[in-house]
Amino acid sequence: QPVLTQPPSASGTPGQRVTISCSGSSSNMGSYSVYWYQQLPGTAPKLLIYRNSQRPSGVPDRFSGSKSGSSASLAISGLRSEDEADYYCAAWEDSFTSPWVFGGGTKLTVL
Amino acid sequence: QLQLQESGPGLVKPSETLSLTCSVSGGSITSSSYYWGWVRQPPGKGLEWVGSIYYTKNTNYNPSLKSRGTISVDTSKNQISLRLTSVTAADTAVYYCRLHVSLLNSAFDLWGPGTMVTVSS
Repeated sequence: QPVLTQPPSASGTPGQRVTISCSGSSSNMGSYSVYWYQQLPGTAPKLLIYRNSQRPSGVPDRFSGSKSGSSASLAISGLRSEDEADYYCAAWEDSFTSPWVFGGGTKLTVL
Repeated sequence: QLQLQESGPGLVKPSETLSLTCSVSGGSITSSSYYWGWVRQPPGKGLEWVGSIYYTKNTNYNPSLKSRGTISVDTSKNQISLRLTSVTAADTAVYYCRLHVSLLNSAFDLWGPGTMVTVSS
């Protein structure tokens, strides 16, 4: 299973576009789908992106995800103060036999 | 609309067994699209997948637990349980019950609010 590496921090100003990277460590990352979660302080994580680039119902289109090879990224456009949160990538093979692997998380600060 | 609520002892002594329950309201917990599981978060740290259960009996655990974990489903009570043996301070965390629903053209997650577990004598 892959090990996922995220930058510990990221920042941007309101209205800006920011990206958060998620790098997988193994060649079999290609068989995994990438998921992105947002965790506001003191709350449970919320799913933002599933299967690399799909948004669940209710997630604004300011959030977008992409994956290429063993790396993925989350982009947030039109940054807002309420986007300040921790963001986690996760990988899963869409199978009950697959483990879930989480990245270490990125703290996003809106300046 | 399903709702999840974790419950547990709050404080567990080292070497003892931790037992957590996730009570589900608002619908059935059995579906071929449902992946139930537990995710934990040590204080000030990131998320760690503990394990998952699919279709009431297919389980999968984080290898880092070294076979200490057991997840089960009680359909009569609409509950998902986690049992973690031989706990140490490293098991201190907020434990979240999570439902991941994977459909052909969509997916979503439901999470409980989490329950804090402290391992200490």
